[in-house]
Amino acid sequence: EIVLTQSPATLSLSPGERATLSCRASQSISTYLAWYQQKPGQAPRPLIYDASNRATGIPARFSGSGSGTDFTLTISSLEPEDFAVYYCQQRSDWPLTFGGGTKVESK
Amino acid sequence: QVQLQESGPGLVKPSQTLSLTCTVSGGSISSDSYYWSWIRQPAGKGLDWIGRIYPSGTTNYNPSLKSRVTISVDTSKNQFSLKLRSVTAADTAVYYCARGPVRGILTGYYDYWGQGTLVTVSS
Repeated sequence: EIVLTQSPATLSLSPGERATLSCRASQSISTYLAWYQQKPGQAPRPLIYDASNRATGIPARFSGSGSGTDFTLTISSLEPEDFAVYYCQQRSDWPLTFGGGTKVESK
Repeated sequence: QVQLQESGPGLVKPSQTLSLTCTVSGGSISSDSYYWSWIRQPAGKGLDWIGRIYPSGTTNYNPSLKSRVTISVDTSKNQFSLKLRSVTAADTAVYYCARGPVRGILTGYYDYWGQGTLVTVSS
């Protein structure tokens, strides 16, 4: 099973600041990684597919990069609605696995 | 707009079977363009993939749960279901159903999710 490790566990930032979230895979997954956003009491919402492709309707301030084992989700300038938990997910191998999440909280 | 809605008992006794249903609206579960999955999230933890089913009935399960899980589909009702046998407290979680595209860049990922339903395993 491919393990995805997200860091940091919590990121405390202010609106307007840049957020950089990391997801590291236990083995190479090429670019087969997605990012989801989850707010309290809500289902996860897809943000990025295959490492760098924004999902439909996702603002340009969200961007993804990386390949192999190291991936990054960047939010260029945090909006109030961006404070949430972010998960990565790999589709390179079965079973599909998710990271443990990074909480982006307001400082 | 596709919507998924989970339903089922919120409380299950240890050693019994957890049964949930996901009702799909705004789209046909029979479409060969999608597969349908169950994913769970224990309180304060990350997401665990349980398994998936294609409209044909073909399934894939997480090896860690395979011996206890059955996912089935009822195309006449536009629903798919989860049964998890011999549950313990460790199975307490929010259970989500989700849709995944079969082909294209989105395959292997999930584009629509239900709101989730909390299932507690306790006597």
